[in-house]
Amino acid sequence: DAKTTQPTSMDCAEGRAANLPCNHSTISGNEYVYWYRQIHSQGPQYIIHGLKNNETNEMASLIITEDRKSSTLILPHATLRDTAVYYCIVRDTGGGADGLTFGKGTHLIIQP
Amino acid sequence: NAGVMQNPRHLVRRRGQEARLRCSPMKGHSHVYWYRQLPEEGLKFMVYLQKENIIDESGMPKERFSAEFPKEGPSILRIQQVVRGDSAAYFCASSRGTQETQYFGPGTRLLVL
Repeated sequence: DAKTTQPTSMDCAEGRAANLPCNHSTISGNEYVYWYRQIHSQGPQYIIHGLKNNETNEMASLIITEDRKSSTLILPHATLRDTAVYYCIVRDTGGGADGLTFGKGTHLIIQP
Repeated sequence: NAGVMQNPRHLVRRRGQEARLRCSPMKGHSHVYWYRQLPEEGLKFMVYLQKENIIDESGMPKERFSAEFPKEGPSILRIQQVVRGDSAAYFCASSRGTQETQYFGPGTRLLVL
């Protein structure tokens, strides 16, 4: 079972910032938060990941709360091509099994 | 720098036939993962391989499914005696090492008639 909780769907206007929340209240100290997205019929695309500090790359920003029990993925200027299912994944870095556990994700719909 | 490559992109098989799905990892990656996405469902981890070794096959069905990652060549996911319930998208991912970021290929869509 996924260790994260995300809203089923969200809408965002084109050009606005899209803020996607994720709860991971049972996260442990050595677990990273990863974000992927899947545009219809394509393979999942890696977006960003972090441990405790906020992270930013060319695609998005990741804000992790101080207690690490939740995080927010921010797409600063959403476009129609950002319409996708976004998956928040908690990943153990302590060795052993390395398969990712995908939940149901958030279906983000960018409105023109 | 080419990404993860999978072929074929689409595969049609009749019940009872064998399906072979291939995955070439990104350059410099020696770890391969296979996932399955059934229609209208999420991705499920199947198996994790390094060169010539299966590390974790906890998500693989016990029968008819096998995977390999030989010293030379692509990783192969093999499904024997396919049934209609095997119809799904099969995605491969690769990484440089354990707990490194996984990058996904475009998938193979298997349709069993």
